[in-house]
Amino acid sequence: QLQLLESGPGLVKPSETLSLTCTVSGDSFSNDNYYWAWIRQPPGKGLEWIGSINYSGSPYYNPSLKSRLTISIDTSKNHFSLSLNSVTAADTAVYYCASQRRISIFGLLIVPAFDYWGQGTLVPV
Amino acid sequence: DIQMTQSPSSLSASMGDRVTITCRASQNIGIYLNWYHHKPGKAPNLLIFAASSLQSGVSSRFTGSGSGTDFTLTITSLQPEDFATYYCQQTHTTPYTFGQGTKLEI
Repeated sequence: QLQLLESGPGLVKPSETLSLTCTVSGDSFSNDNYYWAWIRQPPGKGLEWIGSINYSGSPYYNPSLKSRLTISIDTSKNHFSLSLNSVTAADTAVYYCASQRRISIFGLLIVPAFDYWGQGTLVPV
Repeated sequence: DIQMTQSPSSLSASMGDRVTITCRASQNIGIYLNWYHHKPGKAPNLLIFAASSLQSGVSSRFTGSGSGTDFTLTITSLQPEDFATYYCQQTHTTPYTFGQGTKLEI
């Protein structure tokens, strides 16, 4: 079973960079069937996928954030990171990291699903 | 982006009841549909993936169905731990998008 834990500063000022790290415990970090994802939830709102990255370091991002976003991975430390620059109050949210499993359905489809999540960390801007 | 619309937005029910939540996608997403359960202050929990497959360890009281644009999550014999917010999510096309949530209250 995987465990994920977000860490980072508790407060970020407007126009600065929000940086978070997710440390993964478990033996699936190098598994090709997993990507590693960031999701956020602004206060009182729903969930928003931020972006994902695989073990090889290939990221893909939500276009709404792409110009400000970098997701990276450090395989030696079993962690992946989020960097969001030029933040505003609209970036205030609980930020979650999650494992994004690539699930094979009858050998015909690969359906991504977020099967383990961290507890989340509130980042006020 | 693919828009996911859940209904109802909130739902009141009693212990032991059966409830159904619906999720509609703005375009055909096949079976690329997942359901999550989320309690405040806790990590969201995957219940159903690929529209109808039960995640390991999840109670069989949860059932997912549908394909294309219309999906349902049914919960039978409601237990105290079921009172939470439920989200559907499409992973057919990036950006992956979630429904706005359905809050299930006692």
